[in-house]
This record gives sequence, C-alpha cells and structure tokens, in this order.
Amino acid sequence: QSVVTQPPSVSGTPGQRVTISCFGGSSNIAIYSVSWYQQLPGKAPKLLIFSSEHRPSGVPDRFSGSKSGTSATLTISGLQAEDEAEYYCAPWDGSLDGPAFGGGTKVTVL
Amino acid sequence: EVQLVESGGGSVQPGRSLRLSCVVSGFRFDDYGMHWVRQAPGKGLEWVSSIKWNSGDTAYVGSVRGRFTIFRDNAKNSVYLQMNSLRPEDTAVYYCAKSSGANRYGYLTNWGQGTPVTVSS
Repeated sequence: QSVVTQPPSVSGTPGQRVTISCFGGSSNIAIYSVSWYQQLPGKAPKLLIFSSEHRPSGVPDRFSGSKSGTSATLTISGLQAEDEAEYYCAPWDGSLDGPAFGGGTKVTVL
Repeated sequence: EVQLVESGGGSVQPGRSLRLSCVVSGFRFDDYGMHWVRQAPGKGLEWVSSIKWNSGDTAYVGSVRGRFTIFRDNAKNSVYLQMNSLRPEDTAVYYCAKSSGANRYGYLTNWGQGTPVTVSS
C-alpha cells in the first residue's frame, strides 16, 4: 500500500477540464515537492510536472500542477484523445528515503 | 538526446540471482544520481533503489533491502542492480531513471524502456 493515494480513474470528454488529486502526509507532500508522470499504454513513464508546478520543455501547457498542504493536483485543461494514459504523482518521502509513487490514475477520454 | 537502455532481465527460479544493467548516453553521467523503479504486471510504479553520483549514498525500498544492491561505473556510463534471493513478488518490468540532481533526492527526468524480470518455478 502506497503512502500516497490517488483516485483509480477519472474520465472526461474532449475539451473538458479534468483534475487528478494526490493525497499524502507529513513525511512527503507536506515538506517535499511533487512530480507527476504520464505513462501511455505499453510505454515507459515520462516526466510531466516537476517541483509541484513546473513543466519540462515539450510538455503542453494544458497540463498544470499545484500543491497545498498535504495534497497536490494535476489539471488537464482541454482534454485530448492522446491524453488517455495512467498518471502517477510522486513526492519524495522522508521515511521511504525515495520517491513515493501514488497508485496511479487512469484517465479515459470518452 | 538522453538515452537510457536497460538489459539483463529474464526468467529465473525463486532464490536465484540476476543482474540488471542500464547504460546511458546524452548527458554527463557522473553529474547525476540514478534510480531503479519497477512495475509489476498490471500494477503501479514502485521505487526500488537509488544511488548518488559518486556512489557515496544508496537507498532501497524495505522489501528488497539486503537482497538487492545498486552500484554504478561512471567510466562505463552504467548503473546496475544486482538482485539476489529473488522472489515471485519481484516479478516486474524494471526501469532505470535519471535523477534531477547529483544526489539521490529529486525527480526522475528521463526513463529507459524497461527490462522484464519474471521469477517463477
């Protein structure tokens, strides 16, 4: 069982705004920044958001991240068909002494 | 272009050993920490181990501590995961990933394509 939890699935229609929540605690999100990873079907994960709110070069600006207290949020504004994937949040965890991946959220584009 | 290429996966019996390798290119290897992350079939990602740029600091998830060893050879641009006393629950695709900084702490900027490990009798 991960110390960081995410909803197992979210869905939306093209163009819709969807959010994915990530809930942690005092040893992770409360004191460390959060990164988010996108895993397309059959592919390796890819960094989507780092330091809670920053996008690497090449990531579309419809992806955004935020953090407050012991939770973080990934927002996809203007959902597109190619966004259908699994999304993982991963704050550093001081007890684990490594990144604590959430269980993943599958995004389905209806 | 940053590239990470894992190898060494395969099918082994419980109790046996396997060594995974990850060779990298496209960045100065000895400037960055490295990680191994695994994904069991149909499951989510699980961090396994990480190592500092100069091998001066390593860490492991509790379920592999004492059985797995991470090490690196900066002259060969490679990081390794020696896996001993393998168990069926170690069955997964193993990814190596580059850390965002020289130490182990940080986010994972680039990932390899993964190498599958199956532990079964």
